[in-house]
This record gives sequence, structure tokens and C-alpha cells, in this order.
Amino acid sequence: DTEVTQTPKHLVMGMTNKKSLKCEQHMGHRAMYWYKQKAKKPPELMFVYSYEKLSINESVPSRFSPECPNSSLLNLHLHALQPEDSALYLCASSQQGLAGDTDTQYFGPGTRLTVL
Amino acid sequence: SQQGEEDPQALSIQEGENATMNCSYKTSINNLQWYRQNSGRGLVHLILIRSNEREKHSGRLRVTLDTSKKSSSLLITASRAADTASYFCATVRNTGGFKTIFGAGTRLFVKA
Repeated sequence: DTEVTQTPKHLVMGMTNKKSLKCEQHMGHRAMYWYKQKAKKPPELMFVYSYEKLSINESVPSRFSPECPNSSLLNLHLHALQPEDSALYLCASSQQGLAGDTDTQYFGPGTRLTVL
Repeated sequence: SQQGEEDPQALSIQEGENATMNCSYKTSINNLQWYRQNSGRGLVHLILIRSNEREKHSGRLRVTLDTSKKSSSLLITASRAADTASYFCATVRNTGGFKTIFGAGTRLFVKA
């Protein structure tokens, strides 16, 4: 199984809502990532988890809260978002994590988030 | 800021033609990767080239790397309509964890 799954595919939320994005992989990968991608722009790294520990936080606002319950799951909890947070949120995983600058990342299809 | 910059930003060609995309980067690298993204979808890894390699092939893909110029190119030969996608180069920066930085990307449109 070389698939990274993400749910939901689409999410519309108000600025006062609390929602969560979910990501799952069963490839035994030890690193998982959240990216944010605006239209016609490259993905921008938000968070990296390596061996279930947060290793990189790219100065992401606290209204985004990542969680890695186990090595296969990655969540992104959303609260009090702004309209400018509307974007495609991509999850990825890779095999080696901290040791792997040659890691290939496997991406999920993304969650299209709209904040009203 | 993004490490890699790509040109052209957009490229439109006829099916059967070759497509060349370029990427420049700013800092030293151990390797450079190319990814493809179909519209609104996740990225798919295409190829990795190490800093001690100058050229690498995979099917219809040819990647070159010039570390002295800090640049790489991706050539797709005999393009097909199904090659229509955005293509990103990616480099990795070690900041206590390995951070992948994507270039701005080239949007390729192949006309049937």
C-alpha cells in the first residue's frame, strides 16, 4: 500500500468553527508532513513529525494545531481560522524522517479548505 | 522564501514536442528532486538526482544538474496530453530536521 489518504476532500468552515483534517499512511513511514498550498503556488511546509515527535514548526500560527496520535496518523486541528487560510492542505509521508535528506515524499490528494 | 526558482512559469506545447523546465537554487545541496502535480491533486515524486551526478534518466524524463551554476533542468521527451501538470523542483535544507523547499513550479500544458 503506497497510498496516503486524507479526509475530508473538501471542507467549508466559518471563522468560529473548530474542525480537523486527517491523514493516514500504512507504509511504515516514520516522517509525516503538513503543507499548505495556495492556488498557482508551490506547497509551503507547515509541520514535520519524525518518529511521532514534532521536529519542524515553520512558525505556523497557533490556530493550526498538529497532532500525531501514532506513526500512521496525522491530524491538523483548526480553530478560529481566517479567510486567508483558505488553501489546499497536503499531507505527506516519507520513510526516514530526520535521517533522510534523500527521502521521497508520498503525498495525499489534499483537503480543499474554504474559510468563510 | 522558496529555495528554488523555476522557469518558465508556464509552458504550452504540442503533443510530441519536448518540454524543458529549469530550476535554480541558492544554497548547497546534497540532492535535488522533481515532483509533478496534476491540477488540485497531491504531488508525485518523479526523480532524484544527487549532487555528484550530472545527468539522470527515467523513461521519457531526463534531468541534469549543474552544481556550479546551482541549476537543474527537467526534459520531458515526446510529450503527451497526459503530461499536462505542474512540475516542481525540490531541495532539502537541514535545519535540525530535513525541510523540503519547493520551487515556484512550471505549469505545463500539452495540446493534443
